[in-house]
Amino acid sequence: NAGVTQTPKFQVLKTGQSMTLQCAQDMNHEYMSWYRQDPGMGLRLIHYSVGAGITDQGEVPNGYNVSRSTTEDFPLRLLSAAPSQTSVYFCASSYAGQKNTGELFFGEGSRLTVL
Amino acid sequence: SQQGEEDPQALSIQEGENATMNCSYKTSINNLQWYRQNSGRGLVHLILIRSNEREKHSGRLRVTLDTSKKSSSLLITASRAADTASYFCATSPDYKLSFGAGTTVTVRA
Repeated sequence: NAGVTQTPKFQVLKTGQSMTLQCAQDMNHEYMSWYRQDPGMGLRLIHYSVGAGITDQGEVPNGYNVSRSTTEDFPLRLLSAAPSQTSVYFCASSYAGQKNTGELFFGEGSRLTVL
Repeated sequence: SQQGEEDPQALSIQEGENATMNCSYKTSINNLQWYRQNSGRGLVHLILIRSNEREKHSGRLRVTLDTSKKSSSLLITASRAADTASYFCATSPDYKLSFGAGTTVTVRA
């Protein structure tokens, strides 16, 4: 199994451009999430989903959109890129329990630079 | 805001020694998880301890949980060079799993 696959691995954008980070999982997980990781700040939750058609905001959702049309895919859209969105982005998936998650499976990350 | 915070921020030990790191959190939790991240890679799940458990083992890993103090510890015994990584605790009362800034462990040969 491939697990959690993120594309692209690297991307450079200019301020104001938009783009989509792709995330796909083949483990039939209900729960999917996006985090950003910045030096010294750990991982911060951007958006998450507990099933197809259901999304919710995390800690730092501004400037990002998500959708969940299928169980497998959870794309993250940057609407108008800003230098503050320069970061490493991680997608993660898990089984979803009653108001909690189990073990998260992470992708290898997408490194985004906004000039 | 971050739910969990690890301590210390960095730890350097000799191969064969034990490494201990701590995690403190702020609100009630369903479970607490520990993850490892090698440089430039994604996070890998190490162990999950439920709120009604006090101690859990997995290979060379031992995790304790004290819900009255809102704290957890991760012990890595007989460390190896391959244990060099950052370690994160993750907690949440719900679906919003929150990570601390991590403990960077360096194992010297």
